[in-house]
Amino acid sequence: GAVVSQHPSRVICKSGTSVKIECRSLDFQATTMFWYRQFPKQSLMLMATSNEGSKATYEQGVEKDKFLINHASLTLSTLTVTSAHPEDSSFYICSASSPSLISNQPQHFGDGTRLSIL
Amino acid sequence: RKEVEQDPGPFNVPEGATVAFNCTYSNSASQSFFWYRQDCRKEPKLLMSVYSSGNEDGRFTAQLNRASQYISLLIRDSKLSDSATYLCVSHNAGNMLTFGGGTRLMVKP
Repeated sequence: GAVVSQHPSRVICKSGTSVKIECRSLDFQATTMFWYRQFPKQSLMLMATSNEGSKATYEQGVEKDKFLINHASLTLSTLTVTSAHPEDSSFYICSASSPSLISNQPQHFGDGTRLSIL
Repeated sequence: RKEVEQDPGPFNVPEGATVAFNCTYSNSASQSFFWYRQDCRKEPKLLMSVYSSGNEDGRFTAQLNRASQYISLLIRDSKLSDSATYLCVSHNAGNMLTFGGGTRLMVKP
């Protein structure tokens, strides 16, 4: 149980393109979803936290107008990287949690999306 | 100062060796702790939880010392398949996770 699916797993696109990444909880209702970014040889850094039906809370230094997060349902959150540039190339990972989910871990991670901007 | 700090390594050890990783944390209010394993270009996967009383799972032993704000992971009889990055993670209010920078382990034949 507690499966989180992230799509796409790999994106290569030109500079200036907007890219949408989807994160779905397949077998539970995720009241909270988290978006992380990981640059090479660095750890996961939280970008934002989103609660279903509410505006996302962004971490310091993360531009909310550049990284649009939508969490319209209890099973789907999306991250859109608008007008992506090479410096946005990174590994983006989502996770999901729910207070009603009995689990041995507080968050369940998607497979990640490797974004490369040319 | 980072909230969760780890020695980045890499630790290069032969198969069968015992290796220990350390981690320190600065937020004394952290509720619980975990060790995650991350393979190259993959998502992190839970390895084990960490308790003050110690936690053993096969070849892996984790320990938490709240007084020193120190966490450890011991791997016995290292296997080639243990090669990965090990992430020390604190669990805080609001179900938030804070990741350490990770310690890279390379087990060689």
